[in-house]
Formats: sequence, C-alpha cells, structure tokens
Amino acid sequence: AQKITQTQPGMFVQEKEAVTLDCTYDTSDQSYGLFWYKQPSSGEMIFLIYQGSYDEQNATEGRYSLNFQKARKSANLVISASQLGDSAMYFCASNTGGFKTIFGAGTRLFVKA
Amino acid sequence: DAGVTQSPTHLIKTRGQQVTLRCSPKSGHDTVSWYQQALGQGPQFIFQYYEEEERQRGNFPDRFSGHQFPNYSSELNVNALLLGDSALYLCASSPLRGHQTYNEQFFGPGTRLTVL
Repeated sequence: AQKITQTQPGMFVQEKEAVTLDCTYDTSDQSYGLFWYKQPSSGEMIFLIYQGSYDEQNATEGRYSLNFQKARKSANLVISASQLGDSAMYFCASNTGGFKTIFGAGTRLFVKA
Repeated sequence: DAGVTQSPTHLIKTRGQQVTLRCSPKSGHDTVSWYQQALGQGPQFIFQYYEEEERQRGNFPDRFSGHQFPNYSSELNVNALLLGDSALYLCASSPLRGHQTYNEQFFGPGTRLTVL
C-alpha cells in the first residue's frame, strides 16, 4: 500500500530565502507519480509540481523544484526566494495508475517578513 | 475556461440526516474524484468516477455513495450523518490518460460540511 510521510508539521522561513519541505513515500509499485500541492487558508488545493518515477531529471516549475531521490524514496520540495504569499499548507502526494491519490499529513509553512 | 466548481460552499446538517454535494469538472475532463479532508489532516480518497461508474473506492463505509452524470458532473451522497463526517469535501477532476501515472488533478474550492 502507498504511504506518504511528511515529518515537519510546521516550518518557518525568512522572506527571500529558500526552504525545503520533506517528503518520503512508500510504494511497491515500479511506476508512480509524485506531486506537491499548496493549500491556502481558502481551502483550494493548488497543483505545484509533478515527478514521475522514471524521470531522471528533477522536476522544476518556476520557484519550485522537486529533489527526487529514488533510492531513498524521498521527494522533497524546494521553494526558492520565498514570498509572503507562500504561507500555506503544503501536501506531498503519490499516485499509481491514475486512480487514487494518497496525501501526506501536510506541512504548514510560515514566511516571515 | 471554468475550473472545477462545487456546491454548496458551506452546509450545516444534524446527525442522522442525509446530504448531497455537487461537483462540475473542468472543461475537457471526464474523471472525477472525491476526497474528505478533516481539520488538520491531508485529504483522504473516497472514490473516483469515470464513464458514470465507480472505478476505485477508498476506505469509506457504504454510507458514502456517488454518481456521475453523462455531462461528467458528479454528486457525493452521505447518509446517516455522523459528527465525524464534519470535514471539507474536495472534488477533483482530471483527463483520463489510461494507466499513466501522471494524473494531474484540478481541485475545486470544496464544500465545508458541519454535522451538529
């Protein structure tokens, strides 16, 4: 069964600095996808970045990059040049076969001015 | 291009009642998934609908049921409401890509259900 672990309930970062949010996953499938979502206080889940299990390059999307270490089963999210608007909950998730997506418990990020 | 829409935004019910939540997927999407997100937790997968059928189901009792219509919109029904059903219910739509793992889901704003 799939499982996502996010060990940081809360993180603080100074504005304009980089921050890494940790995520480890557990799956027996060879083919899977890893995702990060942002959830502001409004509640809507916003897709940030995706990494496929067979992708050799780390995914990047603007200020977001995914540090994918397959052997360690980790998929950490790196946010560069943090902005006040980055303050939100961040969820790591995995998906196999396009069906159900499993989410971690989330990390609340606080960006300080 | 409208994104995923959900109605109602908020809902208050009492124990034992029944509730119906609605979701319209993003244009061009034919697959709808429902999630329950309790306060302070990550979303939990309830079920997914494709071609008007339930494709996969999470660990939820039969009190939770759904339906998908020919226009791909979907409903989530919960019978015999319990206090523990209080949560944010999220609908997500995606374009079906067979068995590819990349299944980017677009989420709606959610329906916040409070059971008293």
